[in-house]
Amino acid sequence: VHLVESGGAVVQPGGSLRLSCSASRLTFDDYTFHWVRQRPGKGLEWVSLISWDGANSKYADSVKGRFIISRDNSRNSLHLQMNSLRVDDSALYFCTKGFSSSIRGNMDVWGQGTTVTVSS
Amino acid sequence: SYVLTQPPSVSVAPGQTASLTCEGFNIGSYSVHWYQQRAGQAPVLVVYDDLSRPSGIPERFSGSNSGNTATLTITRVEVGDEADFFCHVWDSSADHPVFGGGTRLTVL
Repeated sequence: VHLVESGGAVVQPGGSLRLSCSASRLTFDDYTFHWVRQRPGKGLEWVSLISWDGANSKYADSVKGRFIISRDNSRNSLHLQMNSLRVDDSALYFCTKGFSSSIRGNMDVWGQGTTVTVSS
Repeated sequence: SYVLTQPPSVSVAPGQTASLTCEGFNIGSYSVHWYQQRAGQAPVLVVYDDLSRPSGIPERFSGSNSGNTATLTITRVEVGDEADFFCHVWDSSADHPVFGGGTRLTVL
């Protein structure tokens, strides 16, 4: 299984960005997917998840109302629309695959991440 | 929301045993997962559901969970085990995942 994130960039505060994650070598719509971020030198912070069918999504309080997670099962892709970006959203964003269709399980595959920098 | 507490750092000599803890209220009633993140790399799942190992993870890595403490134990520690380790559970009250702050394992 291979996950490749893209879309990271330098953006000004208040701006928007759309991250994408392309998955290969798996039956994409069998699994929950997550976005997890890591600020420079810091720990892991869960950001959002989406269920296998896209019907259920959840967000960390820090991004609720600003970020939108989505998936396109026909294209094996996951997305994160990031709006009203703040300086403290600057981080390495990982796409991760859930162990199963359950939203509560572990994250057994991680991409290499894409870097978002919010700065004026 | 549910808080997971990990010691910032643990040091161990090669060949010795490292015990990395993850504390949370009644964590024994949760399924705990552990990730290893080597410098500059993405995290890798090393233990899931308290004590199970994904394929490819050495038997030197084991987990336990009881009461208020979950533990990742690494026996016969190698220099290549040096990394940050994070625990993770599903926070049933907040209804989303939560990570511990991480422990940096240094192999002296």
